[in-house]
Amino acid sequence: GIQVEQSPPDLILQEGANSTLRCNFSDSVNNLQWFHQNPWGQLINLFYIPSGTKQNGRLSATTVATERYSLLYISSSQTTDSGVYFCAVGAGSYQLTFGKGTKLSVIP
Amino acid sequence: DAGVIQSPRHEVTEMGQEVTLRCKPISGHDYLFWYRQTMMRGLELLIYFNNNVPIDDSGMPEDRFSAKMPNASFSTLKIQPSEPRDSAVYFCASSRGSKPVEAFFGQGTRLTVV
Repeated sequence: GIQVEQSPPDLILQEGANSTLRCNFSDSVNNLQWFHQNPWGQLINLFYIPSGTKQNGRLSATTVATERYSLLYISSSQTTDSGVYFCAVGAGSYQLTFGKGTKLSVIP
Repeated sequence: DAGVIQSPRHEVTEMGQEVTLRCKPISGHDYLFWYRQTMMRGLELLIYFNNNVPIDDSGMPEDRFSAKMPNASFSTLKIQPSEPRDSAVYFCASSRGSKPVEAFFGQGTRLTVV
């Protein structure tokens, strides 16, 4: 099956800093989503982005499907951004395959 | 829209007992998914339905697990008998469309089997 690798696995930021999270995948995809799992365990949809670029406030994402990677940018980080960020991809089916996530800690 | 609703939020049960997890998908969504999250295996798909019909149950770990969707607004995931290794967070998700599109997740049920 398709492999999803996320980097870095852990990230500690000072409040106000910017960061880039990466998601590499091993095959062509027709579905790619970024999620934020908050400290209470809830999975929050950030972006549905099988290709192209999207922005939502301080967050933006870019997927280069031909090169099999996606990037999530977080600008001016806040403590509420802490949690685990997951990339999930789908390739030809409705199943989403999740990466192991990037654990982000934003400190005041 | 209220989003995907799961119940209970937390469940603690003794080994050998039957456990039933419940899910109400977003109204109008015709795909429903059950995922499990563990530290060892991360998030993995157990089963999904389209128009109440199970399409792929290859992720169901063993016969102790069963899932049903009697109508478009309700699904259950049952474990009988439960074992400590079933302890995990179980998520339900739903989506709408004839091609893979954005899926929305419920808040999850944290199951602890002692």
